[in-house]
Amino acid sequence: GEDVEQSLFLSVREGDSSVINCTYTDSSSTYLYWYKQEPGAGLQLLTYIFSNMDMKQDQRLTVLLNKKDKHLSLRIADTQTGDSAIYFCAEKRTNAGKSTFGDGTTLTVKP
Amino acid sequence: DVKVTQSSRYLVKRTGEKVFLECVQDMDHENMFWYRQDPGLGLRLIYFSYDVKMKEKGDIPEGYSVSREKKERFSLILESASTNQTSMYLCASSAAPPGTGELFFGEGSRLTVL
Repeated sequence: GEDVEQSLFLSVREGDSSVINCTYTDSSSTYLYWYKQEPGAGLQLLTYIFSNMDMKQDQRLTVLLNKKDKHLSLRIADTQTGDSAIYFCAEKRTNAGKSTFGDGTTLTVKP
Repeated sequence: DVKVTQSSRYLVKRTGEKVFLECVQDMDHENMFWYRQDPGLGLRLIYFSYDVKMKEKGDIPEGYSVSREKKERFSLILESASTNQTSMYLCASSAAPPGTGELFFGEGSRLTVL
C-alpha cells in the first residue's frame, strides 16, 4: 500500500535554508504535495509537483523530485521565524480521491 | 474567499456520549474527508465521501460513522465517545478529478473525552 515517510523534526537558524525530505512508496503517485500547518490551524497547501516534473520553484520554495528514488524535498530559502510550522508531504494517484500523508516535520526557526 | 468551516473548535464530552462534528464547505466540492491528527501519528483518514449519500471507510473507521445528506455538509459521528477518541479532528474537501486534488482544510475541532 501507499506509505509516505518524513523526519519528525528540523531546527534551523533564521536566514539559513531549510530542507525537508520525504520518501514515498507508490510508484503510481501522480501528484506530490507540501502542506503547511501553523499552530492551532488546519493545513494549507504550500505547493505541489506533478510526477513528470523534476523541480518546481515558487519564490522562496523549491521542490525537487527524484522519481527513481521516490524522494521529494522542500527547500525554503532565507528561512524566517514565520516559517515555523509543521510541514506535511502527501501523495495522490491521478483518479484517486484521497491523498496519503506523511507524519509531518516540525520546523523550528531560531532567531 | 473559499472556506471549510467546522462547527466547533473545542469540545469536551463524557465517555459514552454521542458526539456530532459538523463540517460545511462553500466551494461546491464533490469530495469531503474527515481526518484525525495525533502527535507522532500524523493525519489518519477516518472516512471520506465522493458524493451525496456516499461514504467510504478510511484507515481508521472503527468507532465512527459519517453522514452526507447535502453536498456541502459532511458530519462525523461518534456513537459512544471513548477516551481514546480524544484528538484533533480535521475536515477537508477537494474537487473531483481531473484537477490537482488540492485539499482545503477547516481549522480543526479539538475533542476531549473525559
